[in-house]
Amino acid sequence: QKEVEQNSGPLSVPEGAIASLNCTYSDRGSQSFFWYRQYSGKSPELIMFIYSNGDKEDGRFTAQLNKASQYVSLLIRDSQPSDSATYLCAVNMRVAGAGSYQLTFGKGTKLSVIP
Amino acid sequence: NAGVTQTPKFQVLKTGQSMTLQCAQDMNHNSMYWYRQDPGMGLRLIYYSASEGTTDKGEVPNGYNVSRLNKREFSLRLESAAPSQTSVYFCASSRGLGDDQPQHFGDGTRLSIL
Repeated sequence: QKEVEQNSGPLSVPEGAIASLNCTYSDRGSQSFFWYRQYSGKSPELIMFIYSNGDKEDGRFTAQLNKASQYVSLLIRDSQPSDSATYLCAVNMRVAGAGSYQLTFGKGTKLSVIP
Repeated sequence: NAGVTQTPKFQVLKTGQSMTLQCAQDMNHNSMYWYRQDPGMGLRLIYYSASEGTTDKGEVPNGYNVSRLNKREFSLRLESAAPSQTSVYFCASSRGLGDDQPQHFGDGTRLSIL
């Protein structure tokens, strides 16, 4: 069973702090990793993707990937109340025998930024 | 700048009724997907279409059928709705099924089966 695991939260951080969201995945052969943000009652919105080990920065967001540990994280610096949402980790995993990939989502971590 | 458009946004059905959820994308994407999202279950793939003319089952296909009408449109049909199909349905698209292709989502259809 190929899985993507996230702590469901809620994760509460004060405004201005760094929020750290974590994700582990089961398929060692996975090569691409995505973070989506989903506001309550809305659709998932792509915010970051990462393919290589190390860090990738985009504004206040940093994605970190460690393939050896099968671990991907998202850091949000200077957290704002508008960052309060559920963050979904998604991993492209190989479909056995099909030669294709399927995006598998974690159940999400709910982040609450307290003013 | 529409992206992925789903219709309807809300629907209430009675058990046993049928309906079709519509999805269209204007990003010239090859691949399209249908997901359902339930509390505590996350996003689960129902069906997908790698390219025009092809469809494949995902994780939870039972009770659903799909049609890839053309490159832009991918519909999801419930032939005989059941209360267990009450959910939020999302359509998504991507350039292809390659391992580096992000998916872009529509706004969702909130479906209640009574």
